[in-house]
Amino acid sequence: KNEVEQSPQNLTAQEGEFITINCSYSVGISALHWLQQHPGGGIVSLFMLSSGKKKHGRLIATINIQEKHSSLHITASHPRDSAVYICAAFNNNDMRFGAGTRLTVKP
Amino acid sequence: NAGVTQTPKFRILKIGQSMTLQCAQDMNHNYMYWYRQDPGMGLKLIYYSVGAGITDKGEVPNGYNVSRSTTEDFPLRLELAAPSQTSVYFCASLPLIGTSGRMDEQFFGPGTRLTVL
Repeated sequence: KNEVEQSPQNLTAQEGEFITINCSYSVGISALHWLQQHPGGGIVSLFMLSSGKKKHGRLIATINIQEKHSSLHITASHPRDSAVYICAAFNNNDMRFGAGTRLTVKP
Repeated sequence: NAGVTQTPKFRILKIGQSMTLQCAQDMNHNYMYWYRQDPGMGLKLIYYSVGAGITDKGEVPNGYNVSRSTTEDFPLRLELAAPSQTSVYFCASLPLIGTSGRMDEQFFGPGTRLTVL
């Protein structure tokens, strides 16, 4: 079993839909990191959180430390949100990644 | 700021050849990382550094070496390239965790696509 599991693997949505991507981890963490990988391959950091909730624009990330679970939500999804979303467990300078969730938002 | 830069963008190596992937950042970040991403797979940590002169192994260090003589540069050396090292390599940096209370963004380079034939 992978130390960081994401679901779903693939997700197709219609423009405007509310999106949820889940991440469960089995290792201890000091922070949970959400990344976005564009179709061209570039990676950008979305959130790094160790408790509670963070919001940036239409993106919201939450984490439940007791349940070892984090979610990434996208409100009012748009075709430009189409990308691979990756969660990573950060602990003691080590980083373990989920396999990613491929999101396609159709107009 | 240029952010995190990587060179080269693409490289084809023959089995047994060696090469160095270059990574530099101009943000004065203490933490630097090397990852590899195999086709259709997730990222894996190869090596990391918490500051100049300090490096440590990640999840998949075999076949690689690193050095960190300055805060800015973190080169990754491949000795005796093998087809299993065909991958996209990403370098990333993070600010010093804890000093300013910031730990909210990891900066990635554009990647180096390496093929070993």
